[in-house]
Amino acid sequence: NAGVTQTPKFQVLKTGQSMTLQCAQDMNHNSMYWYRQDPGMGLRLIYYSASEGTTDKGEVPNGYNVSRLNKREFSLRLESAAPSQTSVYFCASRPGLAGTDTQYFGPGTRLTVL
Amino acid sequence: AQRVTQPEKLLSVFKGAPVELKCNYSYSGSPELFWYVQYSRQRLQLLLRHISRESIKGFTADLNKGETSFHLKKPFAQEEDSAMYYCALPGNGGYNKLIFGAGTRLAVHP
Repeated sequence: NAGVTQTPKFQVLKTGQSMTLQCAQDMNHNSMYWYRQDPGMGLRLIYYSASEGTTDKGEVPNGYNVSRLNKREFSLRLESAAPSQTSVYFCASRPGLAGTDTQYFGPGTRLTVL
Repeated sequence: AQRVTQPEKLLSVFKGAPVELKCNYSYSGSPELFWYVQYSRQRLQLLLRHISRESIKGFTADLNKGETSFHLKKPFAQEEDSAMYYCALPGNGGYNKLIFGAGTRLAVHP
């Protein structure tokens, strides 16, 4: 199993450009998540999808949209990138069947907005 | 509101020295806490969780409700322990909304 995969690994955008970060998992997990990681701030939840067909806001959703395309895939879209969105983005998934099961993370996407 | 505080950005020790990575939390109710680790060029992964009460790679963590702490300890640090460590707990919305601390970088020197 590849686990959680993310594309691209690196991306540089200009202010105002749009892009979509892709995430896929092959573990048949129900729940998927998008986080951003900034120096000195840990990981902050952007959006999550508790199950296929549902999405909900996390702590920092402004400027982002998400799509749970199917059970495997959960994409994050930046419609008009801003320098404040320069960050490392992590996707994660969780079985979601038991309340206490844990999250499995992807390798991250490093995004720079100029 | 739930909050996780990791007061140290960097902890630097020599190989063989004891290690204690601090984590303090605020939570109403009975929390479950986690320690996640990110080694260089690897993805974030679960290290341990307090309900398991297990030792992973020589690390242990005890939940102290009186002091609202969940410090991560290891009696003898190894160079391969060098990594970024994050403490986390479920926020409003339960396990779908983990709240992470800012993280502590552990550097173990030979």
